[in-house]
Amino acid sequence: TQLLEQSPQFLSIQEGENLTVYCNSSSVFSSLQWYRQEPGEGPVLLVTVVTGGEVKKLKRLTFQFGDARKDSSLHITAAQPGDTGLYLCAGVTHSSYKLIFGSGTRLLVRP
Amino acid sequence: NAGVMQNPRHLVRRRGQEARLRCSPMKGHSHVYWYRQLPEEGLKFMVYLQKENIIDESGMPKERFSAEFPKEGPSILRIQQVVRGDSAAYFCASSPAPEVNTEAFFGQGTRLTVV
Repeated sequence: TQLLEQSPQFLSIQEGENLTVYCNSSSVFSSLQWYRQEPGEGPVLLVTVVTGGEVKKLKRLTFQFGDARKDSSLHITAAQPGDTGLYLCAGVTHSSYKLIFGSGTRLLVRP
Repeated sequence: NAGVMQNPRHLVRRRGQEARLRCSPMKGHSHVYWYRQLPEEGLKFMVYLQKENIIDESGMPKERFSAEFPKEGPSILRIQQVVRGDSAAYFCASSPAPEVNTEAFFGQGTRLTVV
């Protein structure tokens, strides 16, 4: 059973466009993290959200945690080729400190 | 300011041999996760350890796989009698005590190829 569903699975856009990636679950998370992974490398932590309704900005990236702490979104403004990579959300529930990952969104930004 | 260190980066084993993957957590981190990743896929949880204690091994195959995190030294993921299907990238992440902070930081992975 996949605890975290990410959508879309693949996204190919032109440089300068905006995009949103979604991470959804029926479970409540005590915290949720977003990672970016490039080929041949380990995931790199981008942000952690812990409070329902929380919004965090990291340059052109905006992260939001749903009010009920069951879902999250990542919005990228004016995407650049350097944003290309695999974006992963991961959550920790109250019942377990196990960090569970979504299936990932593979983003390609074309110049 | 060393991050999570995994070695080796690449490991080639023949079918039936043993593979030992090592992970040294970040300084001050007491918890380690191991994940497996197949090409073009996400990260699949394997095991979650604290020093000298396995907290959750629900994602680890019952046979041939074992993990430890001793009081001194790195965490070890051991795969006995490897088969072709074990070929994958294995990632380790470390975190502080979860009641303090659940952020996990990853190593660069070990790419295991079974020939």
